[in-house]
Amino acid sequence: SAVISQKPSRDICQRGTSLTIQCQVDSQVTMMFWYRQQPGQSLTLIATANQGSEATYESGFVIDKFPISRPNLTFSTLTVSNMSPEDSSIYLCSVEEVAGDSYNEQFFGPGTRLTVL
Amino acid sequence: AQKITQTQPGMFVQEKEAVTLDCTYDTSDQSYGLFWYKQPSSGEMIFLIYQGSYDEQNATEGRYSLNFQKARKSANLVISASQLGDSAMYFCAMSPWNTDKLIFGTGTRLQVFP
Repeated sequence: SAVISQKPSRDICQRGTSLTIQCQVDSQVTMMFWYRQQPGQSLTLIATANQGSEATYESGFVIDKFPISRPNLTFSTLTVSNMSPEDSSIYLCSVEEVAGDSYNEQFFGPGTRLTVL
Repeated sequence: AQKITQTQPGMFVQEKEAVTLDCTYDTSDQSYGLFWYKQPSSGEMIFLIYQGSYDEQNATEGRYSLNFQKARKSANLVISASQLGDSAMYFCAMSPWNTDKLIFGTGTRLQVFP
């Protein structure tokens, strides 16, 4: 299974600033995903990042707030822009691998714990 | 709308006992996938088990089994012989047809006591 690392693992930021989170995979993957998990909540998909094309954002998430880069098949970044305390969350990236005849499995990175003051 | 519902915010189970975590889903798709993930306090998401909508047999992975009742749209996770290390959040998720994204439920916090 893919091994995924994220940087930073955690950060404390001031409101109004931006933070870029990196996601590195040890193998080439087509699909990468970015999720947000607000405190005590479930995971919500922010966007899907494909190499060579614009990211596809879910309802409620916009590119100006969460710009994403996907320069190659092993790396992606998510930027949380103009942060407010409501952005305090765990941000997780995931990748998809073929796991069986009929399904793909998503493997998750360790997450980035962001606190915005 | 496609939705995952986990009605148990918290569950307790004694070590070595079995426990069932409930999950119901709502979709009009004929083809979909159902997943269970474990999230320990450290935060990582660990894949446990998968059930396809067309799979006739319930999925099993070691101590984990999925009780799939398609007509009731339920996909309950059964953990047998609970261990202290099973204490964690458990999320049920669905992958709709022709998409790769996952829709997660709100999770169940399982605590295993000696």
